Amino acid sequence: SQQGEEDPQALSIQEGENATMNCSYKTSINNLQWYRQNSGRGLVHLILIRSNEREKHSGRLRVTLDTSKKSSSLLITASRAADTASYFCATDEEGAQKLVFGQGTRLTINP
Amino acid sequence: NAGVMQNPRHLVRRRGQEARLRCSPMKGHSHVYWYRQLPEEGLKFMVYLQKENIIDESGMPKERFSAEFPKEGPSILRIQQVVRGDSAAYFCASSRMIAGIVQETQYFGPGTRLLVL
Repeated sequence: SQQGEEDPQALSIQEGENATMNCSYKTSINNLQWYRQNSGRGLVHLILIRSNEREKHSGRLRVTLDTSKKSSSLLITASRAADTASYFCATDEEGAQKLVFGQGTRLTINP
Repeated sequence: NAGVMQNPRHLVRRRGQEARLRCSPMKGHSHVYWYRQLPEEGLKFMVYLQKENIIDESGMPKERFSAEFPKEGPSILRIQQVVRGDSAAYFCASSRMIAGIVQETQYFGPGTRLLVL
């Protein structure tokens, strides 16, 4: 079964608006990470949240983690055209180093 | 401080040929991971290596695929007798150890896009 499912699959908003993406997972985890991927490029690490943390901020990014619901959200505030990309959540299965990625959310910021 | 480097960035092979993908981890990183990404999909884990050791190869296809991370030089992902279904982007990531603990954050390279004709 797929770990780390993102929702929605695609999101299109106007510049300046906030973007919220959600991720659900199935197994116990030590941490959850969010990555950004611009079209045809590699992944850029955005933020890591550990299983004992509930919320974390980094610049315009806010990540929440609810381990009881096995879900996480990524909020990008005051979006910019440069935020247009695919966003992936990735989880580690407890005890394993490998990351399990979801299908990603394709975010488009319209100027 | 250079990031994770992968080469080639693009590779075209005919069915039946061999593909060799190289990955140099970030300076000071001793752990390397390989992932495969099909179009419009997320990344799928293939293999996790330390220097001279394969730690986890649970995502590697049983045949034709192999990986190594020698004491000296880059990590190599080798695909023998490629088929069209091998066409994908292959990403390498690396992480470091601090005080004997492997750090969770993995830093990704730009990927190698393999096209099998």
